[in-house]
Amino acid sequence: GEDVEQSLFLSVREGDSSVINCTYTDSSSTYLYWYKQEPGAGLQLLTYIFSNMDMKQDQRLTVLLNKKDKHLSLRIADTQTGDSAIYFCAESYGSSNTGKLIFGQGTTLQVKP
Amino acid sequence: DTEVTQTPKHLVMGMTNKKSLKCEQHMGHRAMYWYKQKAKKPPELMFVYSYEKLSINESVPSRFSPECPNSSLLNLHLHALQPEDSALYLCASSQGLAGGNEQFFGPGTRLTVL
Repeated sequence: GEDVEQSLFLSVREGDSSVINCTYTDSSSTYLYWYKQEPGAGLQLLTYIFSNMDMKQDQRLTVLLNKKDKHLSLRIADTQTGDSAIYFCAESYGSSNTGKLIFGQGTTLQVKP
Repeated sequence: DTEVTQTPKHLVMGMTNKKSLKCEQHMGHRAMYWYKQKAKKPPELMFVYSYEKLSINESVPSRFSPECPNSSLLNLHLHALQPEDSALYLCASSQGLAGGNEQFFGPGTRLTVL
C-alpha cells in the first residue's frame, strides 16, 4: 500500500537554507503536499505539486520532485525562527477521488538564532 | 473568509459524559473531514463527508458519531470515550474530493478524557 516517509528532525541556523526530504511509494499519478504545523495549531498547506512536474517555486519555498526515485524535497531559503514547526509531507491516496491523504510522520524543524 | 473554526478549543470529559465538537466553514466547500492527531504524530483520518453525506468512515469506533447538518457545519458527537481517545481533533474542508483540492484545517479541539 501507499507509504510516505520523512526524517524526524532537522536543526538549522537562522539565515541558512533548510531542506526537508520525503519519499513516497504510490506509482500512479498523484498530488504531493507540504503542510506546516506550529505548536497548538492546525495544519497549514504550504504548497503542492502534481507528479508530472519536476519543480515548483513559491517565494522562499522550492519543491523538487524526483519521480524515478519517488523523492520529494522542500527547500526553505533564508530560514527564520518563525519557520520552526513540524512539516508534514502528504500524498493523495491512489488515483480515486476520495479526499484521503497519506501523511508522513512529520519533520520537526528547529531554527537556532 | 478562508477560515475553518472549531469549538471548543479545549474539552475535558469523563468516560460517562456525552459531548459534541463543532466545526464551521463559510467557504462554500462541499467536503468536510474529521481527523484525530496524537502528539508528535501525523493526523489520522476518521470521517469524510461529501455534499453532506458520509463518504468515508475509517473504521472508527461507534463512540464517535459524526453529523453534517448542513453544508457549513460538521459535528462530532462523543459518548463513553476512553482515556486513549485523548488527542487533538482537527476538522478540515475542501472544495471537493479530487486531488489538488486544498484541505483547509481548523485549529483543532484539544480533548482530554479522564
